[in-house]
Amino acid sequence: AQKITQTQPGMFVQEKEAVTLDCTYDTSDPSYGLFWYKQPSSGEMIFLIYQGSYDQQNATEGRYSLNFQKARKSANLVISASQLGDSAMYFCAMREGWETSGSRLTFGEGTQLTVNP
Amino acid sequence: NAGVTQTPKFRILKIGQSMTLQCTQDMNHNYMYWYRQDPGMGLKLIYYSVGAGITDKGEVPNGYNVSRSTTEDFPLRLELAAPSQTSVYFCASKPGGNTGELFFGEGSRLTVL
Repeated sequence: AQKITQTQPGMFVQEKEAVTLDCTYDTSDPSYGLFWYKQPSSGEMIFLIYQGSYDQQNATEGRYSLNFQKARKSANLVISASQLGDSAMYFCAMREGWETSGSRLTFGEGTQLTVNP
Repeated sequence: NAGVTQTPKFRILKIGQSMTLQCTQDMNHNYMYWYRQDPGMGLKLIYYSVGAGITDKGEVPNGYNVSRSTTEDFPLRLELAAPSQTSVYFCASKPGGNTGELFFGEGSRLTVL
């Protein structure tokens, strides 16, 4: 079974509007972390936001927020006031377990976001 | 601030050749990782290391080898290159502990013909 599922291969949004990128995860471990990374066309991986499984509040970082619904096992990324520079591939990733597991990340297949002017 | 540095950035190999992708980090991070990213896909873990002298397999280790003789360096060795190893390879690192993001290098694009 896929541990991280991103069901939207591509998304389009108008500049200045908000957009939600979906991510669902599968784990039986009570301790885990969820990450979002951005990969622009230049190829580098840029960390955006993190949510721990025990965090009581949804994470926010500037225009990025993570809509964490633990019971539904979803960790959707919300980008507010989209900008042309937000056009990129976005990856959801999960870390399971404690430090002894090597803190490895499992990545989803990604969502290609295009912001239209 | 160099962060995670990968070399080379681009390489073309012939089938059966071998090569080493170099990765070095200057942040004194304990954990290091090698991922590969096939076109239009997510990243898959090849090998990782939790400290000097300690390495372990990830999801797709076949055809690769690693070593970690120092905290700073984590080279990835490809033996007998195959077309299926055509990919972009990312090295990453993080401090020890259960939280914190991975810091990625810029990637190395490898083509096997």
